Amino acid sequence: AQSVTQPDIHITVSEGASLELRCNYSYGATPYLFWYVQSPGQGLQLLLKYFSGDTLVQGIKGFEAEFKRSQSSFNLRKPSVHWSDAAEYFCAVGPAAASKLTFGTGTRLQVTL
Amino acid sequence: EAGVAQSPRYKIIEKRQSVAFWCNPISGHATLYWYQQILGQGPKLLIQFQNNGVVDDSQLPKDRFSAERLKGVDSTLKIQPAKLEDSAVYLCASSPDTNQPQHFGDGTRLSIL
Repeated sequence: AQSVTQPDIHITVSEGASLELRCNYSYGATPYLFWYVQSPGQGLQLLLKYFSGDTLVQGIKGFEAEFKRSQSSFNLRKPSVHWSDAAEYFCAVGPAAASKLTFGTGTRLQVTL
Repeated sequence: EAGVAQSPRYKIIEKRQSVAFWCNPISGHATLYWYQQILGQGPKLLIQFQNNGVVDDSQLPKDRFSAERLKGVDSTLKIQPAKLEDSAVYLCASSPDTNQPQHFGDGTRLSIL
């Protein structure tokens, strides 16, 4: 069975500081991996996705993620956080781009000014 | 491009009552999903449609939940009778096909008293 672990429930960073959100997955084959962001009262917005190829993927809003097969990880990074990045971030894994995604429990990001 | 539309945004009912949610996917999207997101958790897939056929409903509590997509466009999700543990945000998502990422609506927040 597929699963996703986001070890950090809540992270606080200062505006302008770098950010890394951790994601570990369990999946029997080559996974499709995603990061979504959810602002309060809104649905999920896709930040980036990994299917194959270059293991460093670029997304929207200046985010990037690196797929490390040996560590079963897909960590999300941003070099300089903006106050508007405060939100909940979800990592997800699935057998295809849009089939039976399994989501992690999310990491809530707080940004201090 | 219009996004995924959901209504109502909020619903408060008493336990044992029935409730229905509506979703209109992005035009042309063949695949439609309903997720349940309990507070503090990631979304959990309830049911996936491909056009008007059910692809996966393995996690749908069929004794009380039902969903339909009769004409392969919009969809309704019903709960009858509701239980306290059904309090959650119900998210609808759509994708052009299973090889494309999902686009999410803003959800319906259901509170059971």
